[in-house]
Amino acid sequence: LAKTTQPISMDSYEGQEVNITCSHNNIATNDYITWYQQFPSQGPRFIIQGYKTKVTNEVASLFIPADRKSSTLSLPRVSLSDTAVYYCLGSRGNRDDKIIFGKGTRLHILP
Amino acid sequence: DADVTQTPRNRITKTGKRIMLECSQTKGHDRMYWYRQDPGLGLRLIYYSFDVKDINKGEISDGYSVSRQAQAKFSLSLESAIPNQTALYFCATSEPGLAETGSYNEQFFGPGTRLTVL
Repeated sequence: LAKTTQPISMDSYEGQEVNITCSHNNIATNDYITWYQQFPSQGPRFIIQGYKTKVTNEVASLFIPADRKSSTLSLPRVSLSDTAVYYCLGSRGNRDDKIIFGKGTRLHILP
Repeated sequence: DADVTQTPRNRITKTGKRIMLECSQTKGHDRMYWYRQDPGLGLRLIYYSFDVKDINKGEISDGYSVSRQAQAKFSLSLESAIPNQTALYFCATSEPGLAETGSYNEQFFGPGTRLTVL
């Protein structure tokens, strides 16, 4: 499974666009990049997933360049309720995919 | 009703006691997982099961055991609890899904069990 590296923490302000970058230099051909969000004392929640280029849903956008060695989660116009830990992880497309979470990025939104 | 439930939600116990944490799901998923979360360490995988007859160790299985009683139930046991097993424990389920839907192997988490070992 791809080992991912992301910043430990980030601060931003309400109304700003926030970009969290994740490095995954050893990503394999059949790995998907997946992001989860976790609020305090709750289980993580799936946000978005992609393989390459750009994926957008109602919550976020995910940008994956052609070499797939990194990805960027983009949260448009954040609010205080976006304060959470965000996990980037590789999800391999086969039966043995057990999914490994790292330490994530603690995003703190300021008023 | 929640799709993934965990019991108990909170538990305080003493060193040396046997503890069982239970997870039930109504999503009909074959895959189930147990994670442990400690402050600043993210989530670490303890055990996972891809079906009733398939149990696998994760990153930190020492001191833990599991039982997959049915497709819907996956229990985590601490045979002899110790203080450094104090943590927040999460159960999760998933199905392989379809890559085309953009949610391949999406995991659904329970609310967590906060365990304190004194």
